Amino acid sequence: EPEVTQTPSHQVTQMGQEVILRCVPISNHLYFYWYRQILGQKVEFLVSFYNNEISEKSEIFDDQFSVERPDGSNFTLKIRSTKLEDSAMYFCASTWLGLQAFFGQGTRLTVV
Amino acid sequence: EDKVVQSPLSLVVHEGDTVTLNCSYEVTNFRSLLWYKQEKKAPTFLFMLTSSGIEKKSGRLSSILDKKELFSILNITATQTGDSAVYLCAVAAFNAGGTSYGKLTFGQGTILTVHP
Repeated sequence: EPEVTQTPSHQVTQMGQEVILRCVPISNHLYFYWYRQILGQKVEFLVSFYNNEISEKSEIFDDQFSVERPDGSNFTLKIRSTKLEDSAMYFCASTWLGLQAFFGQGTRLTVV
Repeated sequence: EDKVVQSPLSLVVHEGDTVTLNCSYEVTNFRSLLWYKQEKKAPTFLFMLTSSGIEKKSGRLSSILDKKELFSILNITATQTGDSAVYLCAVAAFNAGGTSYGKLTFGQGTILTVHP
């Protein structure tokens, strides 16, 4: 069964450092997303990406965040200067028609 | 702002019990409601509901949507220890322009614990 894959599974970084989280969405999907889940809290939408551009973004997704689809398979989330409050589980998801989202296993980001 | 509220927040049952999980929502321009099961990490898809009154069923799990009263329920019959997980409800909406890019708004989840 096709699946969304994310790397790394866990990333520890120092405050102020840049991190790039990587995702390989399901191959025929057209819509891509990043969500995050701070420990003990709700899953929160960050950004959606369609047709090689951001289609929607939340208030959380400020200038410190960026997304890119550098080739036909990868979808990345970059955080330019990490803060302690960026520590969370980050999930990538993809859908074919913007309906049923399939999620990756997540990257646990710990900022120290 | 779209809002999704789940109840109860946690539930402890014994194997064989039947449980009902609730999800209410306030969404402008509703498109669909989805249920996910979250065990260790990734939410895994269970159901997508778009029409009122039509039950979706998969094995011991079933779900139904009421678009008039703005809620959905997820039923699990004959629970097993493997059903222990966080169950997430999420809604998708159309934006003001009538387009949907599939953004999901999640509830806080119901933690289900099934004891042997």
